[in-house]
Amino acid sequence: DGGITQSPKYLFRKEGQNVTLSCEQNLNHDAMYWYRQDPGQGLRLIYYSQIVNDFQKGDIAEGYSVSREKKESFPLTVTSAQKNPTAFYLCASSPTGGHTDTQYFGPGTRLTVL
Amino acid sequence: GQQVMQIPQYQHVQEGEDFTTYCNSSTTLSNIQWYKQRPGGHPVFLIQLVKSGEVKKQKRLTFQFGEAKKNSSLHITATQTTDVGTYFCALGYGNKLVFGAGTILRVKS
Repeated sequence: DGGITQSPKYLFRKEGQNVTLSCEQNLNHDAMYWYRQDPGQGLRLIYYSQIVNDFQKGDIAEGYSVSREKKESFPLTVTSAQKNPTAFYLCASSPTGGHTDTQYFGPGTRLTVL
Repeated sequence: GQQVMQIPQYQHVQEGEDFTTYCNSSTTLSNIQWYKQRPGGHPVFLIQLVKSGEVKKQKRLTFQFGEAKKNSSLHITATQTTDVGTYFCALGYGNKLVFGAGTILRVKS
């Protein structure tokens, strides 16, 4: 089965802790993305990567970090510097990263900071 | 960054009524995509529009791209309970996609 997996589905974190969200794809896509979804605000781009070992900041990168060591994997770390991390996080991939690509989304991780 | 206005934010309709959501941009777009997110789910691609004035249909869904390539609409004829969810437009600016805030559709049976 081809697709994107994210884990865990639900994640709870204490204030001040870093946490890493996993995203894996077996679609052989070059590009991968991380979005944050808050009620009434749509999808906001955190980071994206169009090729292994390279990534760019999106619109709301502060307090987040990523790595792209393998084509299949694009983990997101939510650091303690992120002021309001409670949100639904969606990972996506697309074949080349062009603006006409279809983006394929994973099931998401709901992060709650206690 | 680029601004996308999507309206309405929320609509509650009786089953069988029509529904329309609109997406507007102040700048000319290269393309627009539409996605649907079911409650508790993730966004799923519906369609892409590229040409000025383009109209595409998928069963009861009709998608339009404005002549000036600055706006788009999604119209659902005779809504059904399976249509519930959030509909997002995603606008192509340069080499990026920028998502609208979405329109939440609820259907009362």
